Amino acid sequence: AQRVTQPEKLLSVFKGAPVELKCNYSYSGSPELFWYVQYSRQRLQLLLRHISRESIKGFTADLNKGETSFHLKKPFAQEEDSAMYYCALSGNSGGSNYKLTFGKGTLLTVNP
Amino acid sequence: NAGVTQTPKFRILKIGQSMTLQCTQDMNHNYMYWYRQDPGMGLKLIYYSVGAGITDKGEVPNGYNVSRSTTEDFPLRLELAAPSQTSVYFCASSYPFSGGPSSGYTFGSGTRLTVV
Repeated sequence: AQRVTQPEKLLSVFKGAPVELKCNYSYSGSPELFWYVQYSRQRLQLLLRHISRESIKGFTADLNKGETSFHLKKPFAQEEDSAMYYCALSGNSGGSNYKLTFGKGTLLTVNP
Repeated sequence: NAGVTQTPKFRILKIGQSMTLQCTQDMNHNYMYWYRQDPGMGLKLIYYSVGAGITDKGEVPNGYNVSRSTTEDFPLRLELAAPSQTSVYFCASSYPFSGGPSSGYTFGSGTRLTVV
């Protein structure tokens, strides 16, 4: 079974401060991990895929298989980063049908 | 290229009424999904489809039905609306490569449904 845990429902930081959104997962195989972002009343957008190893909007995320974590980090938060962030996991075999399992989300608020 | 289009954007239903949420994509994605999003609960998978003519239940299928007659369309049907179905519904599509990584999902803009 696939499970994604985001321990923080709410996270509030000041502009310019570092931010880390935590994500832990449970999956018996080799998972694919994603971060999605949802700005106020907008559709979900793909932010990062672990396999891409890229930085988007200053955010990075590293897959730590030993700790089964995929935390999202940004060194200097901006007000426009305020949004709901979802961590998601997909099995990468046909048997999983590439279904995404989402965490419950973390609402990030960046204060001026 | 419109991506994933959902209609309607908003709807209010009375208990016991039925409706169909429409979803269409123009990216030739073979996989499509329906999720519901509830506050504090994240997204729950209702139904999914791996291709035309093939559908399967997700985590919370009760009270819903789907069909997939074409690659482009994946409508979600509510037969007897209940207050518990008040939610925001998102349709998504993806194109995973066989034996390779998923491309990630493309989401529609959502349908906000209220059942009173």
